Amino acid sequence: AQSVTQLGSHVSVSEGALVLLRCNYSSSVPPYLFWYVQYPNQGLQLLLKYTTGATLVKGINGFEAEFKKSETSFHLTKPSAHMSDAAEYFCAVSEWGSYIPTFGRGTSLIVHP
Amino acid sequence: DAEITQSPRHKITETGRQVTLACHQTWNHNNMFWYRQDLGHGLRLIHYSYGVHDTNKGEVSDGYSVSRSNTEDLPLTLESAASSQTSVYFCASSNRASSEGVGELFFGEGSRLTVL
Repeated sequence: AQSVTQLGSHVSVSEGALVLLRCNYSSSVPPYLFWYVQYPNQGLQLLLKYTTGATLVKGINGFEAEFKKSETSFHLTKPSAHMSDAAEYFCAVSEWGSYIPTFGRGTSLIVHP
Repeated sequence: DAEITQSPRHKITETGRQVTLACHQTWNHNNMFWYRQDLGHGLRLIHYSYGVHDTNKGEVSDGYSVSRSNTEDLPLTLESAASSQTSVYFCASSNRASSEGVGELFFGEGSRLTVL
């Protein structure tokens, strides 16, 4: 069975600092990888996804993630944090043929002025 | 614009009552899902459906049921509400896989249920 590990339930950064949210997965076959963002009192929305092709994926709001097969990782980064980035971030993994993603527990991003 | 809507957004009920949470999507997606979100547990899958008249149990299905009579709707019913079912419930939908792989989930805004 797949598993998704998000290291750190909370990550705190200063405004303008680099954002790094970690995601590692276990999968026996190359997976499809997703990052979702959840703002307070809202549903999740897609930030970016990796299916095939280029391993560096760009998403909305300046976020990007890199699929590293050898490290089974899909870490999310943003060069400069903004106050509006404060939210809960979820990493998710699907295998081909499965429509049901496995979600990580989520990481709460806190941005300090 | 296509969307997925949940109702009610907030509900307070009593233990033992039957409760139904509605989910309606206009994406024309085949796949629909119900999750609950609780602190410390992340998102947990309750039930899902791959199409009309198809329903399947997720990891936390006890005490919940769904039915799929059309493409657009997947109502979630709590047969006899319990305090342990106090949670935020999210409905989601996705399309069939394409040459680009499995589609992403589109989520509703959530329904906050309190069982007293």
